[in-house]
Amino acid sequence: EVQLVESGGGLVQPGGSLRLSCAASGFTFSSYSMNWVRQAPGKGLEWVSYISSSSSTIYYADSVKGRFTISRDNAKNSLYLQMNSLRDEDTAVYYCARADYTRLADYWGQGTLVTVSS
Amino acid sequence: EIVLTQSPGTLSLSPGERATLSCRASQSVSSSYLAWYQQKPGQAPRLLIYGASSRATGIPDRFSGSGSGTDFTLTISRLEPEDFAVYYCQQYGSSSRLTFGGGTKVEIK
Repeated sequence: EVQLVESGGGLVQPGGSLRLSCAASGFTFSSYSMNWVRQAPGKGLEWVSYISSSSSTIYYADSVKGRFTISRDNAKNSLYLQMNSLRDEDTAVYYCARADYTRLADYWGQGTLVTVSS
Repeated sequence: EIVLTQSPGTLSLSPGERATLSCRASQSVSSSYLAWYQQKPGQAPRLLIYGASSRATGIPDRFSGSGSGTDFTLTISRLEPEDFAVYYCQQYGSSSRLTFGGGTKVEIK
């Protein structure tokens, strides 16, 4: 069974940093690309970042480019999102989602809440 | 960047009725790389439809997707109580940016 478990969320002040993790199991992690997608309270879904299976291809949404860094450790079956210079508008539930070869997000974790507030 | 516009914003229907949800793209979606997700309160999105019309594993056949190019439709043939939720369309594929529609809430009338 595919499982994705996010962690690392919490309350942080504007300008602060946070590192999210996503632990994967139930599939060959090193064979799949991954996405981070977020959802602000009461709002819709917003794609944040993508990383290919070998980390050779990385994309970011304009809203986070230069502030967030996606990475992965295939030996640890883990995906990460380093978030710096956090803003109020980054407050959201952050989901990691597995992507197949067409970049379809087929499995999602349950999410971790990030709250940026003073 | 492809912009996806979903309509209506809210659909008020009764169990047993047919639901028709629309997703319109600002430009043609290549290879029909259009997906639909269902999201219930406090839960992660669940993949329903991919490739515009293929049902994901375990999805009941009352859910169907159609369309190509810029116009796509998700149909729920007969609403069950568990189908009342928010539905999102998404384009994927070769674009460097994935985009989601704004969502359609299907609520109990």
